Amino acid sequence: EVQLVESGGGLVQPGRSLRLSCTTSGFTFGGYFMSWFRQAPGKGLEWVGFAGPTSRGGTTEHAASVKGRFIISRDDSKSIAYLEMNNLKAEDTAVYYCARGNGWCDYWGQGTLVTVSS
Amino acid sequence: EIVLTQSPGTLSLSPGERATLSCRASQSVSSSSLAWFQQKPGQAPRLLIYDASKRATGIPARFSGSGSGTDFTLTISRLEPEDFAVYYCQHYGSARTFGQGTKLEIK
Repeated sequence: EVQLVESGGGLVQPGRSLRLSCTTSGFTFGGYFMSWFRQAPGKGLEWVGFAGPTSRGGTTEHAASVKGRFIISRDDSKSIAYLEMNNLKAEDTAVYYCARGNGWCDYWGQGTLVTVSS
Repeated sequence: EIVLTQSPGTLSLSPGERATLSCRASQSVSSSSLAWFQQKPGQAPRLLIYDASKRATGIPARFSGSGSGTDFTLTISRLEPEDFAVYYCQHYGSARTFGQGTKLEIK
């Protein structure tokens, strides 16, 4: 059974950093792109970025709204994807989801809430 | 960046009825890069349709996708009680953009 579990969310002050993890199981992690999305409270879905398999060059892309502040990475040996968020702003408050794939994503985690507030 | 506009914003129907949800793109998109998701409160999005018309694994046949160019449609042929949710379309080109969603509610 494919499973994705996000962790690392919580309350953080503006300007601080936070790293989210997406721990996966049930599939060959190294064969898939992994993506991150977010959803602000009561709002729609927003793509954050993706990271490709290390064996295929480890390509990453980030949405313009987070480029330069957020970094997506992965550890294929541990089947974990990461989202490092720096210089957090109030508008980054959202539920963050990881998902398998980089176009259409077929499996999603349950999400982890990040609240940026002083 | 391609903007996706979904209509209607809210659709009120009864179980057993047919639902037709629209997603219009601001410019022509490849039909191989359009997906539909269902999201219920407190849950992650669920992939229904990818490449405009291909049903994802485990998705019932009452869900179908169609369209090309700038106009795409998600059709639910006969609504079941569990189908009432918010539906999003997504384009996965150079940037991944979502429509604002259509809320399908029980009439």
